[in-house]
Amino acid sequence: GENVEQHPSTLSVQEGDSAVIKCTYSDSASNYFPWYKQELGKGPQLIIDIRSNVGEKKDQRIAVTLNKTAKHFSLHITETQPEDSAVYFCAASNRDSNYQLIWGAGTKLIIKP
Amino acid sequence: DGGITQSPKYLFRKEGQNVTLSCEQNLNHDAMYWYRQDPGQGLRLIYYSQIVNDFQKGDIAEGYSVSREKKESFPLTVTSAQKNPTAFYLCASSIVIDYEQYFGPGTRLTVT
Repeated sequence: GENVEQHPSTLSVQEGDSAVIKCTYSDSASNYFPWYKQELGKGPQLIIDIRSNVGEKKDQRIAVTLNKTAKHFSLHITETQPEDSAVYFCAASNRDSNYQLIWGAGTKLIIKP
Repeated sequence: DGGITQSPKYLFRKEGQNVTLSCEQNLNHDAMYWYRQDPGQGLRLIYYSQIVNDFQKGDIAEGYSVSREKKESFPLTVTSAQKNPTAFYLCASSIVIDYEQYFGPGTRLTVT
């Protein structure tokens, strides 16, 4: 079955700098890759997602890139702000797993003032 | 105001007791999910339902049970057979499977 690995587990960046979180997946049939942000004590919230027919997607300061050959996808946050501090999760799914999301272990992003 | 509600936010139970966690959505979504979250780990799927009166086991269904009698509601029962029930439980829904999942605020269950 699918396995998703996420790195790093903790990332500390200076406010205003960029942050990059990377995930690798094992099942080449996976075709949907969402990123969720979870603030303390709350449920995760989708921030961006990408399907396998595109290589990059942007939404203001957030972008996701997908490399199907290497089976990895990354979250890029530019001009980081204090409110970006949270835990970020990547996930992957495909039809063979009945579209169940397989989640990475999460990255705690700390924005230093 | 549409969304997903989970109650209660905190729940305490004695070992050996069954406990039911509530999940309600007014988003008119067909699919609903239950996840378990443990510290430092990703979410693990317990059960999911694509449509009323139908549900499937996820990766860690042992010791849990669900029902889906109404579109809006997907309660989860943590039975005494669940060996390590203390965790943060998250309910989610999506318009159909393979689309964005919307999460509730979660229920933190502590069993002593």
